Amino acid sequence: GAVVSQHPSRVICKSGTSVKIECRSLDFQATTMFWYRQFPKQSLMLMATSNEGSKATYEQGVEKDKFLINHASLTLSTLTVTSAHPEDSSFYICSAQIRTGNTGELFFGEGSRLTVL
Amino acid sequence: AQKITQTQPGMFVQEKEAVTLDCTYDTSDQSYGLFWYKQPSSGEMIFLIYQGSYDEQNATEGRYSLNFQKARKSANLVISASQLGDSAMYFCAMREGRGYQKVTFGTGTKLQVIP
Repeated sequence: GAVVSQHPSRVICKSGTSVKIECRSLDFQATTMFWYRQFPKQSLMLMATSNEGSKATYEQGVEKDKFLINHASLTLSTLTVTSAHPEDSSFYICSAQIRTGNTGELFFGEGSRLTVL
Repeated sequence: AQKITQTQPGMFVQEKEAVTLDCTYDTSDQSYGLFWYKQPSSGEMIFLIYQGSYDEQNATEGRYSLNFQKARKSANLVISASQLGDSAMYFCAMREGRGYQKVTFGTGTKLQVIP
C-alpha cells in the first residue's frame, strides 16, 4: 500500500516552545492530507484538512493560530504546534488520500507523540 | 448525533476463534465508504478493509470480512481464526460523499486475544 512517513515519532519540548511535525507521502501525490489528534485510549479527532497550495480547513474548536498547517507541496504537509503547553501533549497523526481512485482510503503516518513539560 | 457508533469498548476472544466487532453508522448520503482500521499499542493505524455503499458483496480481506447490512446501517468486522497478534484497538470509520472527503472515526473497540 501507499506509504506515509511522519517525523518525529516522539518529541519532548519545554512549555512555550514551538514544535514542527512533518508528514510526507513517499510514493504518491497527496492533494489532501488530514491531521488527527488522539488522546490516550480515545478515538482520533480530526483537527484540520490540509490542501496543497491553499489554506487548511480547521474543525470547530481547533485554534488555527496554535496549530499551524502548511501544505506546500503534493508530498509534504507540516503541523506546527506554537507556544506549546502541557495540555497540548498528545498523539498527533497525519493521513493522506491518494489522488486517483474514489474509495477515499486514508494512509496514515506512524504518528508523533508530543510531550510538553 | 454520533456518525459512527462502536458499542463494545472491549472484547475478549480465544485464540483461533472468530470474533465480531460491531459498528453502526449514521448518514443521509447515498454514497459513502466504510473502513476498519487496526491500531496496535505502537500507535500506527493499519488499514484492514473497505466497503463502499454501492458494493453488493460483503468485503473480504484474508481473515477479515465486513458484514454489511445497509438497511440496518451496520458494518460489523468479523475476524476469523483469531491470532495473538490481533490484540489491538479497532476503529470503524466512514467517509461521506464521493472521493476526498474527511473520514470520521468511531470510539474504538479494544480486542484482546487469549491464548
